[in-house]
Amino acid sequence: DAGVTQSPTHLIKTRGQQVTLRCSPISGHKSVSWYQQVLGQGPQFIFQYYEKEERGRGNFPDRFSARQFPNYSSELNVNALLLGDSALYLCASSFGTGAMNTEAFFGQGTRLTVV
Amino acid sequence: DQQVKQNSPSLSVQEGRISILNCDYTNSMFDYFLWYKKYPAEGPTFLISISSIKDKNEDGRFTVFLNKSAKHLSLHIVPSQPGDSAVYFCAASVRWGNNRLAFGKGNQVVVIP
Repeated sequence: DAGVTQSPTHLIKTRGQQVTLRCSPISGHKSVSWYQQVLGQGPQFIFQYYEKEERGRGNFPDRFSARQFPNYSSELNVNALLLGDSALYLCASSFGTGAMNTEAFFGQGTRLTVV
Repeated sequence: DQQVKQNSPSLSVQEGRISILNCDYTNSMFDYFLWYKKYPAEGPTFLISISSIKDKNEDGRFTVFLNKSAKHLSLHIVPSQPGDSAVYFCAASVRWGNNRLAFGKGNQVVVIP
């Protein structure tokens, strides 16, 4: 059974550029969340999507956006990249949300470097 | 504002002995707690969780204890094995909300053979 898959695994971008990261959840999971992990810190919540609707947003600027598709896969977009956006971006999937929730399972992450 | 705190960033333990990791939280709305293990260049791997209606949950070598009055939880690994060498993250959520996870900064565990 395939786990959470993320692409690409590594990415180098220049300041000011835009980037799109992709995530496919575990089959049957309807909730996808995105996290940013900078070196030495724990993952920080960016977005949660459930059934294609945004259910939560962390303290990130509007340069960050996301969406979820009918097959429950998701994309995270970051515009006008800053050096400080360099981080490991993690996608997590879970079955549902609230009462239907299960543990979140993470992908291997996308390592974004902004130069 | 760090709602989940893990002190003692690193821990070294002899193989076969017990590893104890501690975690404190400040948000009294949290009702679901999880521990994740992370190897370099990999995503966090779910280890064990506990609901606020319990004070203990056990899964093989891993046991999590929750003290709600102290807003404190701990993870016990016994016996520790070299493969347990990793970074361990404590996470918390409000399960009936949007279940976003708030993570601590992590503890580096090194198990010495």
